[in-house]
Order: sequence, then C-alpha cells, then structure tokens
Amino acid sequence: DVKVTQSSRYLVKRTGEKVFLECVQDMDHENMFWYRQDPGLGLRLIYFSYDVKMKEKGDIPEGYSVSREKKERFSLILESASTNQTSMYLCASSLLSSRGADTQYFGPGTRLTVL
Amino acid sequence: DQQVKQNSPSLSVQEGRISILNCDYTNSMFDYFLWYKKYPAEGPTFLISISSIKDKNEDGRFTVFLNKSAKHLSLHIVPSQPGDSAVYFCAASLGSYKLIFGSGTRLLVRP
Repeated sequence: DVKVTQSSRYLVKRTGEKVFLECVQDMDHENMFWYRQDPGLGLRLIYFSYDVKMKEKGDIPEGYSVSREKKERFSLILESASTNQTSMYLCASSLLSSRGADTQYFGPGTRLTVL
Repeated sequence: DQQVKQNSPSLSVQEGRISILNCDYTNSMFDYFLWYKKYPAEGPTFLISISSIKDKNEDGRFTVFLNKSAKHLSLHIVPSQPGDSAVYFCAASLGSYKLIFGSGTRLLVRP
C-alpha cells in the first residue's frame, strides 16, 4: 500500500517567514508533486519532480521553490510567506509510466495559515 | 482558462439512488482521465480511471463514461451510500506526468 506522508497537518506562520513543507513516499516512485487546493479552484500544480534533483514548474510556481535530494523526499519551500499562500498543500507521488501520466497517490495535506 | 471543468459545485442524492457527477474538458488531446474522492482533512484518493480509447470503465458501484465527441466525462455511483459523501475531482492528462484537475463537486448522500 502506497504511503505518502507530510511533515505537518496544520501549520501557522507569520508573513515573511521561510516555510518548509516536507513530503516522504515509501513506494520508490519516480514522480513527486506539490499542489495547493483552494475552494472553487480545485488542485493546482505548483512544482513536480521526475527524478532526484530534477524539477519542473507547474501552473503556479511563483513564490515557491522545491528540493529533491533523495528519491523518497520532496520539499516545498516558501521563501517569504505571504497571506495569499494560506491554503491546503497536498503532496503526491506516482510511478514513471510509459503512458506518461499514472495514478497519483496523495498525502493527507498540510493546512498552512499565514498571518 | 480552465481546461477541466466541473460545473456543479454540489450534488445531493438519496441513499440507494444513482449519483451522477459530470466533468467537461476543452482539450481533445487529453488521453487519460481519472476520478478522485476527497474526504475532509484527508488527501484525495484514486477512485477510477479511463483511457481515451474506451468509452466506459466499471469498478463495482462506480462507472465512468467518456463521450469524446462531447468532451464530457461522467461518474455514476449506484447505489449511492452515505459513506460516498465527499468531494469528487475529475482529472485529465495530456500524455505527460501532469494531471489537470477540475474544481470538484461536493456529493452529499442523504440517509
């Protein structure tokens, strides 16, 4: 059974703070993703990584960076948190598939509030 | 511009009846479609998928229908159960790693 874990379920930070969100998967998946979920907007892709040290921007990368030093771990970094980054952050992983897209498995999410 | 749209933000059905959740898309090049279910305070979980070369896929109480000419996808749940109450997201892929998600439909199954 695929397990994706996220370091915190709830986080409260102040404007301007540097924020780290950690994600770990235990299924040796090549692909890892960071999304944010906002009411009425669904899930929007921030960044994804298809291999260690490899990353690609998603649809809304501004204000975020990522790090993937090990295959099982993918970190999302908010360099200087702002109130408009208050959201639910979801990490996901998937296998590298010949089809391209494959089923993504999600972590429980981190609800981040920036004051 | 949203490429995957779920125009109904919410749906309420009686237990035992059919739930039909709809999804429209704009890009005819999408080749793979998925449905995810999400409970509050949990991450989305995969429910069912369909390739663009098919028009129907069934898994127990869940059936997904794909109408490529109408660029329309639907999820049927029969019979609906109270435990099915959740937010349902449809997603589509363009043959890459990325999935493009709709905005979700909140399903309430009344006992």
